[in-house]
Amino acid sequence: DAGVIQSPRHEVTEMGQEVTLRCKPISGHNSLFWYRQTMMRGLELLIYFNNNVPIDDSGMPEDRFSAKMPNASFSTLKIQPSEPRDSAVYFCASSFTLPTDSYEQYFGPGTRLTVT
Amino acid sequence: KNEVEQSPQNLTAQEGEFITINCSYSVGISALHWLQQHPGGGIVSLFMLSSGKKKHGRLIATINIQEKHSSLHITASHPRDSAVYICAVSRSNFGNEKLTFGTGTRLTIIP
Repeated sequence: DAGVIQSPRHEVTEMGQEVTLRCKPISGHNSLFWYRQTMMRGLELLIYFNNNVPIDDSGMPEDRFSAKMPNASFSTLKIQPSEPRDSAVYFCASSFTLPTDSYEQYFGPGTRLTVT
Repeated sequence: KNEVEQSPQNLTAQEGEFITINCSYSVGISALHWLQQHPGGGIVSLFMLSSGKKKHGRLIATINIQEKHSSLHITASHPRDSAVYICAVSRSNFGNEKLTFGTGTRLTIIP
C-alpha cells in the first residue's frame, strides 16, 4: 500500500485566498484524522471522521475551516479565507477503528502551508 | 497543566548511550502512542500500548496504568535515532479516537 497520501506537499498562498488540502487514506481504514502542527501549539487534532461521518470537530479553529469526506477514499480540508496565522504543517492520518478499541494511526507526509 | 507531559524536552547523548524518555498523563486512557518525527517532518507510529511492555528492535516502550506513566527506551543509541519523540494518548469513547499529544522530546545523538 502507498500509505496515506496528501497533496499538495507545499502550498504558498496570499492572505484571503482559499486553500484546499487533500488526503487519501489507506485502503480499508475507516477513520481519518486531520491534525495541525505549529511551533507554538505542537500537534492538535482538527477533526476526526469515522465511516465518512465527522465525529469530533471540536478542534476546528473557526468557521473559516471546513472538512469533508465524501467517500472512504478521499477527504479535503478547506480554509477560506486564509490568514497568516494558518501557516502550519497539516497532517492527515488514518486507522482502522472499532468502538471502544484503539488502533495505530498512520500519518501522511503532511502539507506545509504558508500564508503570506 | 497539559493532560500529557513529557520529559525531558531536549536530550543530547553520545552514540551508544541508553536513552529514556518519560510521559505522564492525567486522564483515563484506552491506549498510549509513541510517535517519531524525523527532521524531514514525517511522523511514524512506533508503539501503541495499553498495558505492560512492547519491544521493537532497539526500542522498548513500557506503561504503568496505575501510575499513569510511560517510558520509551532506546538501547545502543545511534545518530539516526535523532528525532522528536511524541507521546500521545487516546480515549476511545464510543468510537471517538481523539489523540491528545505531548509537546515532544527532541533527541540528538552525537557520533
